[in-house]
Amino acid sequence: QLQLQESGPGLVKPSETLSLTCTVSGGSVGSSSYYWGWIRQPPGKGLEWIGSIYYSGSTYYNPSLKSRVTISVVTSKNQFSLMLSSVTAADTAVYYCARERTTAPGYDYWGQGTLVTVSS
Amino acid sequence: QSALTQPASVSGSPGQSITISCTGTSSDVGGYNYVSWYQQHPGKAPKLMIYDVSNRPSGVSNRFSGSKSGNTASLTISGLQAEDEADYYCSSHTSSSTRVFGGGTKLTVL
Repeated sequence: QLQLQESGPGLVKPSETLSLTCTVSGGSVGSSSYYWGWIRQPPGKGLEWIGSIYYSGSTYYNPSLKSRVTISVVTSKNQFSLMLSSVTAADTAVYYCARERTTAPGYDYWGQGTLVTVSS
Repeated sequence: QSALTQPASVSGSPGQSITISCTGTSSDVGGYNYVSWYQQHPGKAPKLMIYDVSNRPSGVSNRFSGSKSGNTASLTISGLQAEDEADYYCSSHTSSSTRVFGGGTKLTVL
């Protein structure tokens, strides 16, 4: 059974860089059949798509976040990661990692989510 | 890209049917048959309920169905049950190969 697990600091200071890692078990980030994505949800608000990566390294980003976002994949560790720079309080959210099939867009497996708070 | 438009809330009684709309543009919902729907209970990760406009993943009840007309997609839940009370989000592929979510709809089962 595929499992995804987010990890990283729960507290980040304003203007610093948020860094999260998603560890995949029961499947491979090196598969050509899937995209691996990041989605966030501010407290009490809706879902926001951040971006996704293909095993080849091709990336796709939300235009509103593109200047601050980097998503990368480390196939040897079966992980992919998110970096979001110059954070503000507006970046406080639960961050989810998820898997999407290339042939049928839709995130079918999700991590449990991790709350990241931006505060000094 | 702008968020897809969903009603903030809908409600229905047990056994009834409800429909949630999701309106986008020709650059997302209207341009591709790649609309998906998610159910989210409080404190939980979203769950994929519909993909490719109208397909259900294995294990999802056939009480959930999806459709699309022009720039508007719809999720219909028939035979409402108490456990269906949750937030529902639509999502679409876009012309920029990105994804966009709707603002979410809170379903209340009366």
